Amino acid sequence: DTEVTQTPKHLVMGMTNKKSLKCEQHMGHRAMYWYKQKAKKPPELMFVYSYEKLSINESVPSRFSPECPNSSLLNLHLHALQPEDSALYLCASSQDRGGDNPGELFFGEGSRLTVL
Amino acid sequence: AQSVAQPEDQVNVAEGNPLTVKCTYSVSGNPYLFWYVQYPNRGLQFLLKYITGDNLVKGSYGFEAEFNKSQTSFHLKKPSALVSDSALYFCAVRPSFSGGYNKLIFGAGTRLAVHP
Repeated sequence: DTEVTQTPKHLVMGMTNKKSLKCEQHMGHRAMYWYKQKAKKPPELMFVYSYEKLSINESVPSRFSPECPNSSLLNLHLHALQPEDSALYLCASSQDRGGDNPGELFFGEGSRLTVL
Repeated sequence: AQSVAQPEDQVNVAEGNPLTVKCTYSVSGNPYLFWYVQYPNRGLQFLLKYITGDNLVKGSYGFEAEFNKSQTSFHLKKPSALVSDSALYFCAVRPSFSGGYNKLIFGAGTRLAVHP
């Protein structure tokens, strides 16, 4: 069982819709991540939040807007997406221990997004 | 450039036989190395990691991996494969200078097929 919970599991949206993906963890982790994964490809990092502050934005288009309301929650707001944005969106969290002892990432089950 | 290579798209093994999934890396400094497994339509599950110390790392579900600094490799192994091990396996590396969060570089993935 995963300790990172993502909702919804599946989402179908049109290109003009606004929707959000949600992620929650209660492991006390202070780093949270959004990844995008296309079929049979490795996950691609989108955003990293460390202590509720955006630390990394991997040049993601502005139609994706992350939000970290508190240390347990991470949202990804979606607006005006394109069909090529269809993918599995994975949330992950990890202990932020500093550079000497990185904790492993714990992944959620993902939200499968289809953009029509 | 920092990178991870998984030279095999697919590995086929008979149940009960030993398995090896290969991974080589290229990073600056001392690497932190990880293996993850992904079952269909699921998130990634952590198997094991190498930070420092003993070159043979033992992980979940009977898997182990051997760190070889001279060959810059971190191959995943299991003495006796199970059909239930069939999945997509990702090797990942975190450069030692990437800060307190895990900015992982993933390999392309290797599909392991274990036949009865």
